[in-house]
Amino acid sequence: AQTVTQSQPEMSVQEAETVTLSCTYDTSENNYYLFWYKQPPSRQMILVIRQEAYKQQNATENRFSVNFQKAAKSFSLKISDSQLGDTAMYFCAFMRGSQGNLIFGKGTKLSVKP
Amino acid sequence: SAVISQKPSRDICQRGTSLTIQCQVDSQVTMMFWYRQQPGQSLTLIATANQGSEATYESGFVIDKFPISRPNLTFSTLTVSNMSPEDSSIYLCSVDGPLEWETQYFGPGTRLLVL
Repeated sequence: AQTVTQSQPEMSVQEAETVTLSCTYDTSENNYYLFWYKQPPSRQMILVIRQEAYKQQNATENRFSVNFQKAAKSFSLKISDSQLGDTAMYFCAFMRGSQGNLIFGKGTKLSVKP
Repeated sequence: SAVISQKPSRDICQRGTSLTIQCQVDSQVTMMFWYRQQPGQSLTLIATANQGSEATYESGFVIDKFPISRPNLTFSTLTVSNMSPEDSSIYLCSVDGPLEWETQYFGPGTRLLVL
């Protein structure tokens, strides 16, 4: 069975600085997808970034980028130039290719301080 | 991404009653999912709802407790039956695509409190 582990329950960062959130996963699959979702206090789950396992290139979306280490089964999220609006819970998630269902980590609560 | 709405956004219910949550998408999607997020916890998949077939439930969730309908490609409902305080959670629907397939986009969630 697949598992997703986020070892940092809480983190904080100063505004405009860079922070990295960690995620590791366990799977025997070769075809899968990895995601980071953001859940602000509104509780809306917002897709931050998506990575396809067969792509070696790390995904980037504006200030958000990932460090995908397939052999190590590691998928960290880097947030550059942190903004107050980045304050939220961040969930790492795994999806087996064509399976559909997401398996979530326990989340990391990120606080961006002015 | 698709615009996904859920009704109601929140509700307070008495134990023993049932609540039906609606999920509406502004474009046709094949796969819809229902998740539960208990207080302070992560998300857990309840079931997958594909149009034209019975919902597929995850371990620990049964159809009698969480009946699901999927009458067309833009709509689904989840009913929480015979509620107890342990059912107090946020219930979220999600869809696969259509902006990018094999990617799930979530509705705003329904916050349920059972007294």
